[in-house]
Amino acid sequence: GNSVTQMEGPVTLSEEAFLTINCTYTATGYPSLFWYVQYPGEGLQLLLKATKADDKGSNKGFEATYRKETTSFHLEKGSVQVSDSAVYFCALGGTSYGKLTFGQGTILTVHP
Amino acid sequence: GAVVSQHPSWVICKSGTSVKIECRSLDFQATTMFWYRQFPKQSLMLMATSNEGSKATYEQGVEKDKFLINHASLTLSTLTVTSAHPEDSSFYICSARGRTTNEKLFFGSGTQLSVL
Repeated sequence: GNSVTQMEGPVTLSEEAFLTINCTYTATGYPSLFWYVQYPGEGLQLLLKATKADDKGSNKGFEATYRKETTSFHLEKGSVQVSDSAVYFCALGGTSYGKLTFGQGTILTVHP
Repeated sequence: GAVVSQHPSWVICKSGTSVKIECRSLDFQATTMFWYRQFPKQSLMLMATSNEGSKATYEQGVEKDKFLINHASLTLSTLTVTSAHPEDSSFYICSARGRTTNEKLFFGSGTQLSVL
């Protein structure tokens, strides 16, 4: 079956540091890949997605590239801000947006 | 974006009691709602899918008689944990999509359930 493994947290960084959160997956077929973010007290929000191999999703300075050869979808940001403190979830899904398989989430804390 | 409201945010109950969690789509009609559960340091796991007016479809290993899901209207789905036990303590989160959301999913903020 499908599974997603995320880098264990929590991750603590200083403002303007470089961020990488690793995500690898196992899946049958050709799933779409997603990163969701959950800010304190809010619901998960879609941060970015990629639907096929070599696609790069990007949003708010975050990027992730769908790597089929390494079955990875690592999240990166060149310079994090305090406002990026949140929980980040990697997920994969098929043709339906609804049935997603999530990683366990990574807590990111950014200090001034 | 669209808003999904989930209540309560946290609840503590005694073992053997039932707890109801509500999930409302505030500005769109949710044709499909999903309920997830997350144990500490584990992934969000899909429990069930519900389509408005239909019986929920449960994932393997999820007891339908214990986790009652009702999706009677296009804006409200409820999850009732019946005869809760300490092992049911978990983070429960709903998500919803509708015809006007371009198939995107919108999530509630989650409910932390603690069963004593």
